[in-house]
Amino acid sequence: DAMVIQNPRYQVTQFGKPVTLSCSQTLNHNVMYWYQQKSSQAPKLLFHYYDKDFNNEADTPDNFQSRRPNTSFCFLDIRSPGLGDTAMYLCATSSGSGLMRANYGYTFGSGTRLTVV
Amino acid sequence: TQLLEQSPQFLSIQEGENLTVYCNSSSVFSSLQWYRQEPGEGPVLLVTVVTGGEVKKLKRLTFQFGDARKDSSLHITAAQPGDTGLYLCAGATRSGGGADGLTFGKGTHLIIQP
Repeated sequence: DAMVIQNPRYQVTQFGKPVTLSCSQTLNHNVMYWYQQKSSQAPKLLFHYYDKDFNNEADTPDNFQSRRPNTSFCFLDIRSPGLGDTAMYLCATSSGSGLMRANYGYTFGSGTRLTVV
Repeated sequence: TQLLEQSPQFLSIQEGENLTVYCNSSSVFSSLQWYRQEPGEGPVLLVTVVTGGEVKKLKRLTFQFGDARKDSSLHITAAQPGDTGLYLCAGATRSGGGADGLTFGKGTHLIIQP
């Protein structure tokens, strides 16, 4: 089945130790998103790729970076994780362009639960 | 900053009862989407409403988009334990090619007790 797969499902990292989360998709969607969801909060958009074009949200900390080497894969790099970065990280994809892309809805992966200790 | 307010935040009812969840904003959205999220999983899209006043039904779930496209509601008839989960509404905005991520509400935690 076509889907969005995130690895690992659970990750524990030490304060300040770089960590990379991965996302792969078999949907051939041109847009990939990274969201951060803290406990009992709404998912918050960090950034997204439209094809190879990177779009960063204004309030995303510089500590968070992303790479998209090809259509299928997207990575979230946290250079120096802090305790406040403990959260669920969700990858999502969508297709289409402009308004229609938003209206199609997103396909989410199962998320990576990151704990910084 | 566009905000989506969901109410109630928590709801626990008995199996067989009806319920309505509301999603309100002062902003106009081009569409509103409803997702259901189970613990430890990503959100799963239930429906997208696009036209003001639109009503969509998904079995026992009825979704409505407000006439002014600022609010939406989710009504569940004869709730079942399998309906338990976090329900998220998310609004999409018209974009000129820039960032167009969804704006999510904080969600409604729904528990259906047998």
